[in-house]
Amino acid sequence: QVQLQESGPGLVKPSETLSLTCTVSGGSISSYYWSWIRQPAGKGLEWIGRIYTSGSTNYNPSLKSRVTMSVDTSKNQFSLKLSSVTAADTAVYYCAREREDGYNYIDYWGQGTLVTVSS
Amino acid sequence: DIQMTQSPSSLSASVGDRVTITCRASQSISSYLNWYQQKPGKAPKLLIYAASSLQSGVPSRFSGSGSGTDFTLTISSLQPEDFATYYCQQSYSTLSITFGQGTRLEIK
Repeated sequence: QVQLQESGPGLVKPSETLSLTCTVSGGSISSYYWSWIRQPAGKGLEWIGRIYTSGSTNYNPSLKSRVTMSVDTSKNQFSLKLSSVTAADTAVYYCAREREDGYNYIDYWGQGTLVTVSS
Repeated sequence: DIQMTQSPSSLSASVGDRVTITCRASQSISSYLNWYQQKPGKAPKLLIYAASSLQSGVPSRFSGSGSGTDFTLTISSLQPEDFATYYCQQSYSTLSITFGQGTRLEIK
């Protein structure tokens, strides 16, 4: 059973960079897309972007200028960096596995981690 | 971006009811449509992918239909554990996937 676990600071100061890591267990990180999705309190889901194990990335156009994703296949981990954060970036951040078999869909999610942007 | 619009935004129903939630895409997305269920404090869970394919382990009372721009999620007989928020998501544009705003299903 594949499991994903987010880790990183729960509190980030405005204008600084949010950094999160997702550790994948119970399966290989290879040959899948790995995504980050966030959800502000009481609101809907927003896709941040994805990375393939080759390192190729796709980012949400609205966040593209501030997002960087990376992958470390040796550690079965992938990471998110979001720069110049504001209070609007406060949300629960989920890492997830995106399966592609003719159709793309997210079949495994982490439990989510709350990141608060505040001084 | 492809915009996804769900209706209704909230819905009250009783155990045993048949419920339908609608999702409309701003352009044709063929069958590249997924449905997720989210309970409070939990991560979303995949229910339906490719518009009508039931994810392994999901009860058969859940079904999906549609193609092009109009899609539906149907729960044939509501169970207590089905009260949750439901999201549709398009994967037609793999460069930028988008979710609907969610439909909150509440107990009447």
